Amino acid sequence: EAGVAQSPRYKIIEKRQSVAFWCNPISGHATLYWYQQILGQGPKLLIQFQNNGVVDDSQLPKDRFSAERLKGVDSTLKIQPAKLEDSAVYLCASSSSSGSYEQYFGPGTRLTVT
Amino acid sequence: GENVEQHPSTLSVQEGDSAVIKCTYSDSASNYFPWYKQELGKRPQLIIDIRSNVGEKKDQRIAVTLNKTAKHFSLHITETQPEDSAVYFCAASGGTSYGKLTFGQGTILTVHP
Repeated sequence: EAGVAQSPRYKIIEKRQSVAFWCNPISGHATLYWYQQILGQGPKLLIQFQNNGVVDDSQLPKDRFSAERLKGVDSTLKIQPAKLEDSAVYLCASSSSSGSYEQYFGPGTRLTVT
Repeated sequence: GENVEQHPSTLSVQEGDSAVIKCTYSDSASNYFPWYKQELGKRPQLIIDIRSNVGEKKDQRIAVTLNKTAKHFSLHITETQPEDSAVYFCAASGGTSYGKLTFGQGTILTVHP
């Protein structure tokens, strides 16, 4: 079984620029999560999708962050414009359904904003 | 929302000793408690989890205990090995935040040979 795929693995941008991350979950997994992990901290949920619908985006800074999962499979997370404090690892995770708690993480995208 | 506190932030043990990491949570409706191991530069990997209808679960050298009344749960690693060195995160899910994981701050475990 292939795992969660993410790209790019690393990205360096200047503040005020925009950036996009891509995630392809495990095949058949209906639930997809985006987490932000700042160095030295635990992951923090940004947004949760069930198929192509948003379940929870309460901690997503909507003035600059957006995410979509148009066909209920892969997803993109965008930041526009980026700030220095957005420097973090962005982790995508998936689970088979809302009723299955086990989440499997992708390798993450390390973003550095200069 | 849910809040998870994790202690200690760093833990240093000798190879062969036991290690214990403790977490407390705030939402009494939470019902799923996983533990993740994260090596430097790698993804978090699920090592063990427990649901609220169980008090203890073991998997070889790793065990997790849950006290629902006190709202805390612990990870126990016995006979530690240098390859156990990593950052360990506890998390809580369920209740009012169905599926969403709220993580603790992490524990840096170092096992000295």
